[in-house]
Amino acid sequence: DAGVIQSPRHEVTEMGQEVTLRCKPISGHDYLFWYRQTMMRGLELLIYFNNNVPIDDSGMPEDRFSAKMPNASFSTLKIQPSEPRDSAVYFCASSSRTPTQYFGPGTRLTVL
Amino acid sequence: GDSVTQMEGPVTLSEEAFLTINCTYTATGYPSLFWYVQYPGEGLQLLLKATKADDKGSNKGFEATYRKETTSFHLEKGSVQVSDSAVYFCALSPLDQTGANNLFFGTGTRLTVIP
Repeated sequence: DAGVIQSPRHEVTEMGQEVTLRCKPISGHDYLFWYRQTMMRGLELLIYFNNNVPIDDSGMPEDRFSAKMPNASFSTLKIQPSEPRDSAVYFCASSSRTPTQYFGPGTRLTVL
Repeated sequence: GDSVTQMEGPVTLSEEAFLTINCTYTATGYPSLFWYVQYPGEGLQLLLKATKADDKGSNKGFEATYRKETTSFHLEKGSVQVSDSAVYFCALSPLDQTGANNLFFGTGTRLTVIP
């Protein structure tokens, strides 16, 4: 049974470039979460969706960040333009009608 | 608001030592409580959970009991192994009438077990 799939696993880009992170949730799960993890700030919830609809995006740091979920099996997190302070590990997680969330392996983003 | 406070790390133990990582919570109502574990280079994995007062969650030799009277959910293991070295996160899911499944995470406690 496939878990949450994220791509790419590692991304290195230069300041000012657009970055797109991708996530495929577990089939049948109707909640999808995007988190960011850094040493300084720990694990932060950026945004979450229910049935493809964004429910709470109050954790999105600024307008440079955007997230979409065009269908039940795919979501993207986009940063445009990227900045060095965006360097972090970005996790996607999904859940069904229970509070237990299942995390993907993460995307390690480095912005030079 | 809802929040979780867990023991600051890092924690270093010798193999076969007893482990306790403290976690207390603040919430209205009756939240569900979780421990997640993150091994190096990986995402978070559910370790155990408890959904009501006095429930004990257990997995892989780890245990935690949901104590409503002390608002705590401390993680324990009687004999740690080198393979238990990881970061442990306590988390809370509030009782939410909308059905939202948001989780509030603690800051994480890094455990290192030395042979």
